[in-house]
Amino acid sequence: GENVEQHPSTLSVQEGDSAVIKCTYSDSASNYFPWYKQELGKRPQLIIDIRSNVGEKKDQRIAVTLNKTAKHFSLHITETQPEDSAVYFCAASLSGGYNKLIFGAGTRLAVHP
Amino acid sequence: DAGITQSPRHKVTETGTPVTLRCHQTENHRYMYWYRQDPGHGLRLIHYSYGVKDTDKGEVSDGYSVSRSKTEDFLLTLESATSSQTSVYFCAISSGGYTDTQYFGPGTRLTVL
Repeated sequence: GENVEQHPSTLSVQEGDSAVIKCTYSDSASNYFPWYKQELGKRPQLIIDIRSNVGEKKDQRIAVTLNKTAKHFSLHITETQPEDSAVYFCAASLSGGYNKLIFGAGTRLAVHP
Repeated sequence: DAGITQSPRHKVTETGTPVTLRCHQTENHRYMYWYRQDPGHGLRLIHYSYGVKDTDKGEVSDGYSVSRSKTEDFLLTLESATSSQTSVYFCAISSGGYTDTQYFGPGTRLTVL
């Protein structure tokens, strides 16, 4: 079946540093790629998304890049802050409609003051 | 947060008993989904619905059934709970059409003893 691989599984940075999380997907028909942030004990919340007709998208300190040829996309967080500490999930849309998503296994980001 | 609630929020049950989890939305979104979240696996799709009485299986549907008798409610049933179904269950909704974004409910923590 289709899958999404996410790396690294854990990431530790100092406050102010940048963090990069990478995902690779297998379904060549995927055209929508959201990123979710999940704080401990809370629901996943969308932080940014990108569609296949766009190569890069930014929202303040967060950016996502997409390389459709290589079938990988990345999340970039600049000037990290302790409140960025959470688990981040990438996802890719699945062919067949109904807005189905397949998720990566998650990256636990720790930002140390 | 989108208008999504889940009940119960926590449940402890014994092996072999039936369990029903409820997802309720006030957004009038067409699509609804049930996921389970386990360490190291991210979010895995159990079942989804694309309209009233219209449902289909996801990647981990064995041992689960669903029903959707009205737009706002999507029920997940474990006919005979097993310890392997101990997990956190999230419901999600999506409006359909070009906007693929899924919004998640607060989750239900289920423990099967």
